[in-house]
Amino acid sequence: DTVLTQSPALAVSPGERVSISCRASEGVNSYMHWYQQKPGQQPKLLIYKASNLASGVPARFSGSGSGTDFTLTIDPVEADDTATYFCQQSWNDPRTFGGGTKLELK
Amino acid sequence: EVQLVESGGGLVQPGRSLKLSCLASGFTFSNYGMNWIRQAPGKGLEWVASISSSSSYIYYADTVKGRFTISRDNAKNTLYLQMTSLRSEDTALYYCARQGGFERAFAYWGQGTLVTVSS
Repeated sequence: DTVLTQSPALAVSPGERVSISCRASEGVNSYMHWYQQKPGQQPKLLIYKASNLASGVPARFSGSGSGTDFTLTIDPVEADDTATYFCQQSWNDPRTFGGGTKLELK
Repeated sequence: EVQLVESGGGLVQPGRSLKLSCLASGFTFSNYGMNWIRQAPGKGLEWVASISSSSSYIYYADTVKGRFTISRDNAKNTLYLQMTSLRSEDTALYYCARQGGFERAFAYWGQGTLVTVSS
């Protein structure tokens, strides 16, 4: 299975820019997607196919990367962005998720 | 508005069975592939099973293959997950999720239904 590796946690101040990384154990082309999960809620799709903003998602969120290295960027970070962010690949079967990066606001 | 509402979770003993349902609304259910994804308490996400729009293609994670069965009733706009031979490691919040497009992302998620396997 394709293993996706994310840093466990990050802490940033409101107004700053933050980049969350996801590294795949094998190439996934551009088939990497990003989700936001706030406490007690279901995940929400933010970015699909590496860099495409899902419907209704603020333009503060952006994605980049291809192959094995991907990044989700939030600029500027707002207090409401406190959440866990998961990457997920759909190039190789089975579809797999990263372990999640918990974003905390200072 | 897309809505997915799961039901059927609960406390069940190891080795027993449980059937989950997911009622869909706000979109043409028969046009989309559907999925079950689970999240153990305090843990990450694990894709469990998927089914194509017409039920022609069905896939399972190795961890549930042979024990779980995904199905759908397009006339009732409902997705199902029949779970048998349940184990403690199946304890999780089970989400129903609609496929996006060709990119196979999970575009919409329900609120989840909790399955607890314990004696």
